[in-house]
Amino acid sequence: EVQLVETGGGLIQPGGSLRLSCAASGFTVSSNYMSWVRQAPGKGLEWVSVIYSGGSTYYADSVKGRFTISRDNSKNTLYLQMNSLRAEDTAVYYCAREGLGQFDPWGQGTLVTVSS
Amino acid sequence: QSALTQPASVSGSPGQSITISCTGTSSDVGSYNLVSWYQQHPGKAPKLMIYEVSKRPSGVSNRFSGSKSGNTASLTISGLQAEDEADYYCCSYAGSSTHVVFGGGTKLTVL
Repeated sequence: EVQLVETGGGLIQPGGSLRLSCAASGFTVSSNYMSWVRQAPGKGLEWVSVIYSGGSTYYADSVKGRFTISRDNSKNTLYLQMNSLRAEDTAVYYCAREGLGQFDPWGQGTLVTVSS
Repeated sequence: QSALTQPASVSGSPGQSITISCTGTSSDVGSYNLVSWYQQHPGKAPKLMIYEVSKRPSGVSNRFSGSKSGNTASLTISGLQAEDEADYYCCSYAGSSTHVVFGGGTKLTVL
């Protein structure tokens, strides 16, 4: 079964750092495009970052320079390192396998709350 | 990059058909046949319903269909059922620099 499980969310103070993990099963992370998508409370979906199978990475302007996407092929796991966190980064963060503009499957999401 | 424009809400009675529009620009919806649609029930992760404008993943009901004309994509749900009540989001590839853009979401109410 193809599945994604995110971990690592929690309450963090503004300016702090957090690393999210997304463990994949049923397929190989490094052979696919993988993205992070977030959803602020009561709001819509916002694409955050993608890592291509070849290793190229791209970011939304709102997180560029603060977030870093990476993967560990030996663990078949995707990561999102989030630094200099702001209140507006508060959201449920989903990882998803991407087929260029299409996301499937999605993980269950992990909540990140940035607050003092 | 601005979000794609969707109506905030639509409604319909069981058995009826509804259409949700998704308006973008010539830089996203109008340039690529890479529009997808997602269904999201409260507290759940989004689920892919349509990809590449009009293709249905395995397991998705054929009551769901997609189309595109110019800069506007549409999702049609026929034979509305109570379980279709959810939020729906469109998404389009927008080139390598922007990557993708989502719509603001549409809340579907089945009356």
